[in-house]
Amino acid sequence: NAGVTQTPKFRVLKTGQSMTLLCAQDMNHEYMYWYRQDPGMGLRLIHYSVGEGTTAKGEVPDGYNVSRLKKQNFLLGLESAAPSQTSVYFCASRPLVNSPLHFGNGTRLTVT
Amino acid sequence: DAKTTQPPSMDCAEGRAANLPCNHSTISGNEYVYWYRQIHSQGPQYIIHGLKNNETNEMASLIITEDRKSSTLILPHATLRDTAVYYCIVSGTGTASKLTFGTGTRLQVTL
Repeated sequence: NAGVTQTPKFRVLKTGQSMTLLCAQDMNHEYMYWYRQDPGMGLRLIHYSVGEGTTAKGEVPDGYNVSRLKKQNFLLGLESAAPSQTSVYFCASRPLVNSPLHFGNGTRLTVT
Repeated sequence: DAKTTQPPSMDCAEGRAANLPCNHSTISGNEYVYWYRQIHSQGPQYIIHGLKNNETNEMASLIITEDRKSSTLILPHATLRDTAVYYCIVSGTGTASKLTFGTGTRLQVTL
């Protein structure tokens, strides 16, 4: 039982490049979330999903797109990376809306 | 979802109880109080949560005031490994409810 797995762990992109971050959970959770964390700051919600095939915007959605084609996977896409997107990205999931979040170990993304 | 206010930092001697306060004066009746912590740059780790009653588990205790406008996380015997950023979050039970993380309290446990 791996929990929440994020791929890749590290990535360096050049401005304008695109990439997809993968979040996979093996706990059959309905709800999934993408957060970003900048140095010295708390986590800010980018997008979230309340079930397979659904997505919704969070606090800082601009410049990102997401998809939840399968219940266990939540993908975060950057179509044209910018230096302002340099951050640590965390994925989380939970089975019910009033249950605790389970977090992955993060993806450290640098955009030069 | 209600917002929370926490002190930016606190110190605690190893072996003593660490009491971390949180103010959530705009909390509504169906909103839960959650506590997480983040050690270094790892993913946040769930500690405990509650609605109105005090809660205890193997990691900590959560004390919620009767009016529910504030709460305290208690680590009964802090160790160096408890040094982390602690986040207090309030979240409702609606389908679109989500957890919003502030900047938390940086707890430094010292010898």
